[in-house]
Amino acid sequence: KNEVEQSPQNLTAQEGEFITINCSYSVGISALHWLQQHPGGGIVSLFMLSSGKKKHGRLIATINIQEKHSSLHITASHPRDSAVYICAVGTSGSRLTFGEGTQLTVNP
Amino acid sequence: GAGVSQSPSNKVTEKGKDVELRCDPISGHTALYWYRQSLGQGLEFLIYFQGNSAPDKSGLPSDRFSAERTGGSVSTLTIQRTQQEDSAVYLCASSLGGQGAYEQYFGPGTRLTVT
Repeated sequence: KNEVEQSPQNLTAQEGEFITINCSYSVGISALHWLQQHPGGGIVSLFMLSSGKKKHGRLIATINIQEKHSSLHITASHPRDSAVYICAVGTSGSRLTFGEGTQLTVNP
Repeated sequence: GAGVSQSPSNKVTEKGKDVELRCDPISGHTALYWYRQSLGQGLEFLIYFQGNSAPDKSGLPSDRFSAERTGGSVSTLTIQRTQQEDSAVYLCASSLGGQGAYEQYFGPGTRLTVT
């Protein structure tokens, strides 16, 4: 079993839909990261959180430390949101451990 | 300000040759990471630098892989005697600190193809 599990692996939505991507982890963490990777390959950090909830524009990330679970929500989805979304956890060492990613496609 | 830069952006090499990949982190970032992403695969940690030292190099897949960082800034990842399974995108990231508790800023990557 991977230390970081994401679901779903693939997600197709219509423009305007509310989207949720889930991440579960099995290790103690210092922080959880949500990353976005566009088709060209570039990776952008969306959120880093260790508790509670963060919001940036149409994106919301939540984390439940007790349940070792995080969710990434996208409100009013748009085709430009199409990308791979990656959950990663920082542990007591300094490495990040990554989930397999969720391929999101938003159709117009 | 300038982000993380990597060079070259693409590298095609013959099996058995050595390659060097370069990473220029964001100025002032003490932590530097190398990751690898093979085709259709997830991201894989290779090595972490804090300053010029590498407290965690446990992700390096074999002794053909080595990395150094000089002046607390530029880092070079060297792959000796390249093999076809080394083909991947090599990504560098930097952050203000380590412990996985600082936001990491990623470079655009170097796409390595070993023929």
